[in-house]
Amino acid sequence: TQLLEQSPQFLSIQEGENLTVYCNSSSVFSSLQWYRQEPGEGPVLLVTVVTGGEVKKLKRLTFQFGDARKDSSLHITAAQPGDTGLYLCAGASGGTYKYIFGTGTRLKVLA
Amino acid sequence: DADVTQTPRNRITKTGKRIMLECSQTKGHDRMYWYRQDPGLGLQLIYYSFDVKDINKGEISDGYSVSRQAQAKFSLSLESAIPNQTALYFCATSDLKGTQYFGPGTRLTVL
Repeated sequence: TQLLEQSPQFLSIQEGENLTVYCNSSSVFSSLQWYRQEPGEGPVLLVTVVTGGEVKKLKRLTFQFGDARKDSSLHITAAQPGDTGLYLCAGASGGTYKYIFGTGTRLKVLA
Repeated sequence: DADVTQTPRNRITKTGKRIMLECSQTKGHDRMYWYRQDPGLGLQLIYYSFDVKDINKGEISDGYSVSRQAQAKFSLSLESAIPNQTALYFCATSDLKGTQYFGPGTRLTVL
């Protein structure tokens, strides 16, 4: 059974601080996605990474896919209250479109 | 108008009742999914369909069934609801690049 473990599970920080969220597995994924979910809404895609070692930037967010395609990280620089939400990673393997979701990291950024 | 819609948005029912959750999409995607979200567990895949004639079980299909009535419609049924099926349910579609688009969710409570 494929599992994606995210850490930390909860994170509460002050505005302006930096943070990193991790997504780890013992399985290899052909692609990995990061989503953000706000209360009362469905998850919204932030990024997809497909190549081992790939780094993608989205404004203050930096995403990295591990060299072995088993793990990923999300780094937020100078966090803002608008970054508050549940961050989910999701992996697909073997070129399929069947996704396994991580356990989630709930981030709260205090003004 | 929303691209992926779910009805109802909230439902309270009793143990043993049959429940149907409906999902409609206007994105023209062939791939559709049903997920369940519980606190601390991320999203778990219940069923997925890659076209009208293709239905596949996900990680937690026991106690659930689905019907793909058309490309745009994918329904989830609980034949005899039980309290541990109380959760937030999401429908999603996927484009050819693997990006998933989620509906707003249905909050189901089984008493």
